[in-house]
Amino acid sequence: AQSVAQPEDQVNVAEGNPLTVKCTYSVSGNPYLFWYVQYPNRGLQFLLKYITGDNLVKGSYGFEAEFNKSQTSFHLKKPSALVSDSALYFCAVRDPTGKLIFGQGTTLQVKP
Amino acid sequence: KAGVTQTPRYLIKTRGQQVTLSCSPISGHRSVSWYQQTPGQGLQFLFEYFSETQRNKGNFPGRFSGRQFSNSRSEMNVSTLELGDSALYLCASTLGNNEQFFGPGTRLTVL
Repeated sequence: AQSVAQPEDQVNVAEGNPLTVKCTYSVSGNPYLFWYVQYPNRGLQFLLKYITGDNLVKGSYGFEAEFNKSQTSFHLKKPSALVSDSALYFCAVRDPTGKLIFGQGTTLQVKP
Repeated sequence: KAGVTQTPRYLIKTRGQQVTLSCSPISGHRSVSWYQQTPGQGLQFLFEYFSETQRNKGNFPGRFSGRQFSNSRSEMNVSTLELGDSALYLCASTLGNNEQFFGPGTRLTVL
């Protein structure tokens, strides 16, 4: 069965510092991986995806993610955090039927 | 291009009532999926519709149902509401096997 784990409930980082939000996955076959962000009282907003190809995926708002097959990880990164990046981040994997299986989410808090 | 729209945005119901939520996908998208988001269970898949047919279903009781119309708009219905049905219900549309685009959600409160 496909599954995704986000080991950190919350990540705190100072503005201007690099940030990493962790995600590990368990899939049978090739993984289709996604990152979404959710701001308060809003739906999920797509950030980036990995289907195949380069292990470093670039997405919206300066975010990128590194796919590591040997470590079964897909960590979300940004070189310089902004206060406006503070939100709830979800990692997801698409199972063979097409539905998304989400991690529990990680709250990112960026302090000025 | 307009995004995914969901109506209503907020809803308050009492136990035992039923509720219908609506979702209009992005123009051209034929697949619509529904998810339930709660603090305790996180994001859970309810069902997916494609070309008016349910293509996939999550592990929810039969009180949760849905349908899709010929214009790809979708509705989900929850009958005999329970307190535990209080949640944010999210709809997402997709084109082919690409990423899903989510609407703002409907916040359902069951009293």
